[in-house]
Parts: sequence; C-alpha cells; structure tokens
Amino acid sequence: KAGVTQTPRYLIKTRGQQVTLSCSPISGHRSVSWYQQTPGQGLQFLFEYFSETQRNKGNFPGRFSGRQFSNSRSEMNVSTLELGDSALYLCASRRQRQETQYFGPGTRLLVL
Amino acid sequence: QKEVEQDPGPLSVPEGAIVSLNCTYSNSAFQYFMWYRQYSRKGPELLMYTYSSGNKEDGRFTAQVDKSSKYISLFIRDSQPSDSATYLCASPQGGGKLIFGQGTELSVKP
Repeated sequence: KAGVTQTPRYLIKTRGQQVTLSCSPISGHRSVSWYQQTPGQGLQFLFEYFSETQRNKGNFPGRFSGRQFSNSRSEMNVSTLELGDSALYLCASRRQRQETQYFGPGTRLLVL
Repeated sequence: QKEVEQDPGPLSVPEGAIVSLNCTYSNSAFQYFMWYRQYSRKGPELLMYTYSSGNKEDGRFTAQVDKSSKYISLFIRDSQPSDSATYLCASPQGGGKLIFGQGTELSVKP
C-alpha cells in the first residue's frame, strides 16, 4: 500500500507571496492532519480535516488555511508569507477512530 | 511547561550499545503513546505505539510506559549506525492532534 505523499518536496518563495501544498493520504485513511516543524519549536499541529471538514485547529494565524477534497486529498495554503514560515510542513493520515498517524516526507519551504 | 518533555541530546553511543530514550508528560489524560523515528530531511516514521502501562517489545525496540510517574521510554538493543536519527515521543490530544516532545538526536558510532 502506498504511503502518504506530499508535493512539492521543496519550495522557495519570497515574503508576501502565497503557497499551496498538497497531501495524498494512505488509501482508506480519511483523516489528514498538518504539522509545521522548525528547529526551535519542533512539531506543531496546524489543523485536521475529515470528510472535507476542518475538525480541529492549532494556534496559528489565519494566514494558514486548508481544505480537503472528496477523495480525502488535502491542501494547505499559506498567504502573505513571512520569513518565519520557513519550515518543514508535514501531513499525516489516519483511519477513523484510530490514533496512530502516518506521516508523509514533508514539503520543505524556504521563504526569502 | 510543555505537555511532553524530551531531552534533545545529542546522544552518542558506540555500535552495539543499549540506548535509552526518555520522555515525561504532564497531562494525566494522555492514554496513548507513540515513538517516531525521523531521519535527516525525512518525515517521521512510526516505530511503536502503546496504550497501557508496561512494556511492549518489537524486535530490538522496547517501549515502556509508567503512568504513575508519567514517564515513557524507548530502549534500543544492539544499536546500529542505521539507528542514527532523531527519536520523537508523542501522545494524541484528540481531534487528530499529536503532542510531540522536542526529539532526541541519536548518533550510533561504528
């Protein structure tokens, strides 16, 4: 069974631009969570989507948003990029009512 | 105080050594614990998960949970250079949110 896939793997943007990242979960997994990983803050939860609905949200500004499609694929968008948004963005999928999450390889975003 | 605390290391051991990686947590509601391994520039890979107190073994890896002291451990026997990675402990808070420790960087020297 294929794992979680994320595209693109690397991205370079400039301040003020916006970016969209994509995540395809493991087949059969309907829940997708997004995380931001930085050396200083570690892994921090952004939000979770299930059945095209955002069910939970972390403590990030409204510039960070996401959505989920009917095939469970998910996208996250960051608008008005800031230097501090440079990070590894990870998505993870899980089966309904299971706690274990499986991570993708991440998208490494560099904001200049 | 972070909900999950983990010594960031780095931890360096010789090949073949027994490695002990540890986390403490503050929220008594945490019931489920996971260990992830993350190689440089890769996503975290699920190593083990455990729901209850006690030990769970999988090959060279043993996960241990002590809920009375809010302490979780991962032991690696016969450590190999390929075990060199960052190890993250985590617990689900609900709603698809995992709370992670800072991660411990492990280096196993040949």
